[in-house]
Amino acid sequence: DIQMTQSPSSLSASVGDRVTITCRASQSISSYLNWYQQKPGKAPKLLIYAASSLQSGVPSRFSGSGSGTDFTLTISSLQPEDFATYYCQQSYSTPVSFGQGTKLEIK
Amino acid sequence: QVQLVQSGAEVKKPGASVKVSCKASGYTFTSYGISWVRQAPGQGLEWMGWISAYNGNTNYAQKLQGRVTMTTDTSTSTAYMELRSLRSDDTAVYYCARESIAVAGIPNFDYWGQGTLVTVSS
Repeated sequence: DIQMTQSPSSLSASVGDRVTITCRASQSISSYLNWYQQKPGKAPKLLIYAASSLQSGVPSRFSGSGSGTDFTLTISSLQPEDFATYYCQQSYSTPVSFGQGTKLEIK
Repeated sequence: QVQLVQSGAEVKKPGASVKVSCKASGYTFTSYGISWVRQAPGQGLEWMGWISAYNGNTNYAQKLQGRVTMTTDTSTSTAYMELRSLRSDDTAVYYCARESIAVAGIPNFDYWGQGTLVTVSS
């Protein structure tokens, strides 16, 4: 099974900051990597698919990069509504697996 | 617009079964697969399995094999997830999610249900 490891597990930042979250796969997954945002009491929301493609309706301040085993999600200028938990997910092989999550909190 | 609407919260005793429904609308149901993902309180996301709404093929997480069954009813565009022999550690919010195949054939979960809380307690 493929293990997904995110770092950091939590992060404090201010509105306007540039933030980067990292996700590492235990083996190469090419570009089979998606990013989700989850707010308390809500279902996850797809932000980035196929490592770097922006889902329709998602603000352009979100971007993704990487391939193989190392991936990043970047938020270029944090907005108040971006404080949430972020998950990476590999869809290269089953069982599909998620990272443990990165909780982004207001500083 | 695409919507996945799940059934309501359930409280079950250990050893019982639960069946959660996920009614799809706004797209051709048989053109997409459905995955089920659960989230224990305060924890991360755990994939449970997948079903093709086209032909009913399934792929279950190994740890749930023998306890979980996923089905679809194409006449009502509804997916179901049944979990048997419930234990306290099955307490979680259960989500259905539509699997979309994007660029280069890379799957993602582009629409999610609102979640169904299943509580297992004696």
